[in-house]
Amino acid sequence: NAGVTQTPKFRILKIGQSMTLQCAQDMNHNYMYWYRQDPGMGLKLIYYSVGAGITDKGEVPNGYNVSRSTTEDFPLRLELAAPSQTSVYFCASGDRGNSPLHFGNGTRLTVT
Amino acid sequence: GDSVTQMEGPVTLSEEAFLTINCTYTATGYPSLFWYVQYPGEGLQLLLKATKADDKGSNKGFEATYRKETTSFHLEKGSVQVSDSAVYFCALPSGTNAGKSTFGDGTTLTVKP
Repeated sequence: NAGVTQTPKFRILKIGQSMTLQCAQDMNHNYMYWYRQDPGMGLKLIYYSVGAGITDKGEVPNGYNVSRSTTEDFPLRLELAAPSQTSVYFCASGDRGNSPLHFGNGTRLTVT
Repeated sequence: GDSVTQMEGPVTLSEEAFLTINCTYTATGYPSLFWYVQYPGEGLQLLLKATKADDKGSNKGFEATYRKETTSFHLEKGSVQVSDSAVYFCALPSGTNAGKSTFGDGTTLTVKP
């Protein structure tokens, strides 16, 4: 029962560097999402996907990119990292519109 | 648009105390309602849900009743334990895409022995 798996768990980047946060799910869910959670705050939606080949922007997409080439994987790309992107990133998946979400354990990213 | 207003925290209780975390919502129609819990260092996980008005969701001693008259979904537990220390989120899914759920800001609960 792997569920939603995120890698890495922790990462420190220097300003201007790039990286990809990996997310994989083994539940055959069509819907996948990326959220960020800043300290003491709620969740903000970055990008989401309703199926392979389909992605759309959420509330805070600037500075990020995604792709969805398979049902299982939904990587999040950070280009030119900035200190404002210091956060905890969560990937989530769901099997239909009104069902609850399954979350990964998060990636804690620090940009210095 | 849809919105969720959640009781601000943090909340600190002694073990065996009664817990209430308030949640009210604004939405079109009668959507499902969820409570998620986030333990330290982990992602969110579903705690309980209710799919229609007057439904009561329950899990691990927690309960919440979907009340359409007051548009509320308050979380309650009769006797909290230290292991209940976590952040609790009330959430309202959209009708067609749960990934665009509207989350409350979260309430941090600390239970002291």
